[in-house]
Amino acid sequence: ETGVTQTPRHLVMGMTNKKSLKCEQHLGHNAMYWYKQSAKKPLELMFVYSLEERVENNSVPSRFSPECPNSSHLFLHLHTLQPEDSALYLCASSQDRFGNQPQHFGDGTRLSIL
Amino acid sequence: AQSVTQLGSHVSVSEGALVLLRCNYSSSVPPYLFWYVQYPNQGLQLLLKYTTGATLVKGINGFEAEFKKSETSFHLTKPSAHMSDAAEYFCAVSDHPGGSYIPTFGRGTSLIVHP
Repeated sequence: ETGVTQTPRHLVMGMTNKKSLKCEQHLGHNAMYWYKQSAKKPLELMFVYSLEERVENNSVPSRFSPECPNSSHLFLHLHTLQPEDSALYLCASSQDRFGNQPQHFGDGTRLSIL
Repeated sequence: AQSVTQLGSHVSVSEGALVLLRCNYSSSVPPYLFWYVQYPNQGLQLLLKYTTGATLVKGINGFEAEFKKSETSFHLTKPSAHMSDAAEYFCAVSDHPGGSYIPTFGRGTSLIVHP
């Protein structure tokens, strides 16, 4: 078990579909993150949750909607996506959000928008 | 705001040769520094970190890095490359309290190991 589990691993969807990405961490961490990783671009931070409260939202389009029902689970709800949203979406967790603790990453969801 | 520069998007070495991956950062306060590795179809894994104390940090898989404050650098090295070291490597920096607590990642360096 990796500690941070993401499902599904691969997702293909049309631009009008609605889907959700799921992330679960078994490490007892208090902070969780969503990142977008596109080819030839730096890792883009999307959202940060600390103790289930959103503490960072990096100007992400509203077609991405995060949800953190408890400290172990994080969702990313997707609707009306665009082709440029095709990417690897990584979830991470850390003990807290104070920067001196490393992040633990899941293996990502590879998203393809048709 | 902090920034992270990884020189060279690709580094190519022969098996058994020294690996040197460069990372420079800009930060107004002493930072926390991390190196992560990403293998194909996987997430990022922590290789090593510097928070305080000894400036030479040893990590997993024989890698080490040295924090040089005067050069604002945190270069990653390994004495002898293995084929299994071929992967993408990311340097990340986060400031002490008072600065941004969210790590900033470099663009990554792809390590290619030739037989």
